[in-house]
Amino acid sequence: GIQVEQSPPDLILQEGANSTLRCNFSDSVNNLQWFHQNPWGQLINLFYIPSGTKQNGRLSATTVATERYSLLYISSSQTTDSGVYFCAVEDGSEKLVFGKGTKLTVNP
Amino acid sequence: GAVVSQHPSRVICKSGTSVKIECRSLDFQATTMFWYRQFPKQSLMLMATSNEGSKATYEQGVEKDKFLINHASLTLSTLTVTSAHPEDSSFYICSAREGGGNTIYFGEGSWLTVV
Repeated sequence: GIQVEQSPPDLILQEGANSTLRCNFSDSVNNLQWFHQNPWGQLINLFYIPSGTKQNGRLSATTVATERYSLLYISSSQTTDSGVYFCAVEDGSEKLVFGKGTKLTVNP
Repeated sequence: GAVVSQHPSRVICKSGTSVKIECRSLDFQATTMFWYRQFPKQSLMLMATSNEGSKATYEQGVEKDKFLINHASLTLSTLTVTSAHPEDSSFYICSAREGGGNTIYFGEGSWLTVV
């Protein structure tokens, strides 16, 4: 099956810093989404981005489908950005395959 | 936007009992819903695909008799953990795709503790 790798596994930042999270996938995908899981477990959709670039406030994402990777950019990080960021891909069967996530800690 | 709701958010049950978790799509119909399990500090693992009006499709290694899934309507899927044991303690979360859309939405998740 399709493999999803995320890096780095852990990231610690000071408030105000910028960061880039990476997601590599092993095969062509129909769907790629980025999620933020808050400390209470809830998964929040950040982006649906099988290709191209999108921006939403301080967050933006780029997927280069031909090279099988996606990047999530967080600018001017805030303590509320802390949590685990997951990349998930769908291989055409409607099933999402998740990476292991990047745990982000933003310190004040 | 589309909303998926889960209930209960937290449940504690005694070993040997059964517990039911509900997943509802609040403002859209979902012919397919998905159930995931997440152990502490790990990723989400798909357990099964819930299909409205038919049997669920279970992933390899998931016991269908232990994790009963019912998708009786276009807005409700339930996961029943039968004869629960402490090793079943976990975070269970469901998802659904809004019809014709690309984005998959997740419920709030349910923390199950078996004592």
